[in-house]
Amino acid sequence: SQQGEEDPQALSIQEGENATMNCSYKTSINNLQWYRQNSGRGLVHLILIRSNEREKHSGRLRVTLDTSKKSSSLLITASRAADTASYFCATLTSSNTGKLIFGQGTTLQVKP
Amino acid sequence: DAGITQSPRHKVTETGTPVTLRCHQTENHRYMYWYRQDPGHGLRLIHYSYGVKDTDKGEVSDGYSVSRSKTEDFLLTLESATSSQTSVYFCAISESGSGYEQYFGPGTRLTVT
Repeated sequence: SQQGEEDPQALSIQEGENATMNCSYKTSINNLQWYRQNSGRGLVHLILIRSNEREKHSGRLRVTLDTSKKSSSLLITASRAADTASYFCATLTSSNTGKLIFGQGTTLQVKP
Repeated sequence: DAGITQSPRHKVTETGTPVTLRCHQTENHRYMYWYRQDPGHGLRLIHYSYGVKDTDKGEVSDGYSVSRSKTEDFLLTLESATSSQTSVYFCAISESGSGYEQYFGPGTRLTVT
């Protein structure tokens, strides 16, 4: 079964608005990662947050992690049409194998 | 796409035939993974490798085998393809020093008729 559950499953916003996606997980983690997938392409790594971090920024991306609630959120500010994609969270639970457990993803549509 | 290629990119095959998908990397990363992606299931791990000749099963390994005889190549074999194995297959690589962030190949779309 999937470790990560993402919410919402689909999100549609206007260009310029902010987009927030949430991820919940079940077991303790080493780190949590967010990936983007454009239609028909492989996943691209966006940002990694370690279990001892609470917030991280990268350009227009802001990720928060609440280990007490076993949840994370990804905020994309000032969305652009090019941000249209599916976004996945993935959790690293073992530092020995590098295995990630992926959520089912949030599909984001940004309308111009 | 960080030096990862997959071949073939598309394949149509008949039920019962063996199929081998190849993943090739030029990054010298230790860890390699095979996933399948299906609507409603997200990305599921089939097998992974943590070194040459070192492999282990993932979440959905039944009907699949893998081999890694060189650092750069990781092969996925469907020993007798079934329609339930129609999917998009992704290969990924990672290293421990970066927190195991993964780099993905472009994918192989496999259709079993």
